[in-house]
Amino acid sequence: GQNIDQPTEMTATEGAIVQINCTYQTSGFNGLFWYQQHAGEAPTFLSYNVLDGLEEKGRFSSFLSRSKGYSYLLLKELQMKDSASYLCAVEDSNYQLIWGAGTKLIIKP
Amino acid sequence: IAGITQAPTSQILAAGRRMTLRCTQDMRHNAMYWYRQDLGLGLRLIHYSNTAGTTGKGEVPDGYSVSRANTDDFPLTLASAVPSQTSVYFCASRKDGGNSGELFFGEGSRLTVL
Repeated sequence: GQNIDQPTEMTATEGAIVQINCTYQTSGFNGLFWYQQHAGEAPTFLSYNVLDGLEEKGRFSSFLSRSKGYSYLLLKELQMKDSASYLCAVEDSNYQLIWGAGTKLIIKP
Repeated sequence: IAGITQAPTSQILAAGRRMTLRCTQDMRHNAMYWYRQDLGLGLRLIHYSNTAGTTGKGEVPDGYSVSRANTDDFPLTLASAVPSQTSVYFCASRKDGGNSGELFFGEGSRLTVL
């Protein structure tokens, strides 16, 4: 079967760094996405990894290791507005996205 | 710039009633998707369409139907609603069906079936 695992909830302090992990087992791999979703809102795109390594985009970075079936999203200089759920999704061999349940990130002052 | 528009935003529905959730995009994307999102579960694909005139079943298609008469519109119909269909429904689109980058999401339709 296909499976995406993420921690259910994480807590971090404003100004700090947090790493959200995602492990996956899917039938094929064509890329990995990270989305941000604020409560009651639609998911919005953060990053896309298809090759191994780190992709940096401002305060957010995403890492991929295809051999380990592993990715993480790194958020630096945390702000209160970063409180949201972070969704990991893998594009499988049929180009369909398989979604994790999401990690709820709580930022404390 | 509208992007993807869903309607209604929220609806309470009696079990057994028929309901159509509307989705329209103005980005000329070929691929469109319907997902449901339930607490503790990831987004689950209901139906998809890779191009106008074609549709396919996702992970949880039972009780739902879709049509894709043109590029812009992708309505989702519940023929006879049941309480287990209480959920938040998201419509999404992207340029093409595969390997074409990010999905863009509508704002969601919150449906409660009593």
